[in-house]
Amino acid sequence: GAGVSQSPRYKVTKRGQDVALRCDPISGHVSLYWYRQALGQGPEFLTYFNYEAQQDKSGLPNDRFSAERPEGSISTLTIQRTEQRDSAMYRCASSVAMGEQYFGPGTRLTVT
Amino acid sequence: RKEVEQDPGPFNVPEGATVAFNCTYSNSASQSFFWYRQDCRKEPKLLMSVYSSGNEDGRFTAQLNRASQYISLLIRDSKLSDSATYLCVVKEGYALNFGKGTSLLVTP
Repeated sequence: GAGVSQSPRYKVTKRGQDVALRCDPISGHVSLYWYRQALGQGPEFLTYFNYEAQQDKSGLPNDRFSAERPEGSISTLTIQRTEQRDSAMYRCASSVAMGEQYFGPGTRLTVT
Repeated sequence: RKEVEQDPGPFNVPEGATVAFNCTYSNSASQSFFWYRQDCRKEPKLLMSVYSSGNEDGRFTAQLNRASQYISLLIRDSKLSDSATYLCVVKEGYALNFGKGTSLLVTP
């Protein structure tokens, strides 16, 4: 079956612009997670949704980062006023409740 | 979040060799542990869960020592296709806490 999909796969943006990254989880997965992975590092937790409820946003670096999942399926991670330090791979994962997390291919964000 | 420490390597081994990776974690209350594999430019994928009793999946053996807060992965009879980054993971609640990964290159 279809895995987790993310779009766009690559995003280049200028410093100060807003970006929106989309995640389409595996059908039926109620839990959705966002991670950020810098080069040479493991993924770092950002936020977690259970259905449409954002249960934990403690990993979001600052208030320029926000995420939503309004209908309990597709999720959007938004970064406002992007900075060069925001450049990274942004990965989405989904799971059945507390089950194995399946990762998507990621969105490579480059802020110039 | 608490730390997960791994030797980043790289580990360069010939085909057929046995190689072991180690990992330590700082949160003694952690309950779930995993090894993930990540190929170059790909997403991480679950390799195996890790249990105190030790568990084996073919050529792969994982072990957890709760007292020492230490996790290991042993790969026997290495194949070229084992070349990847191996990520030690400690689950804290619902969030996965990843180490930096250990790079393995298996050579002919």
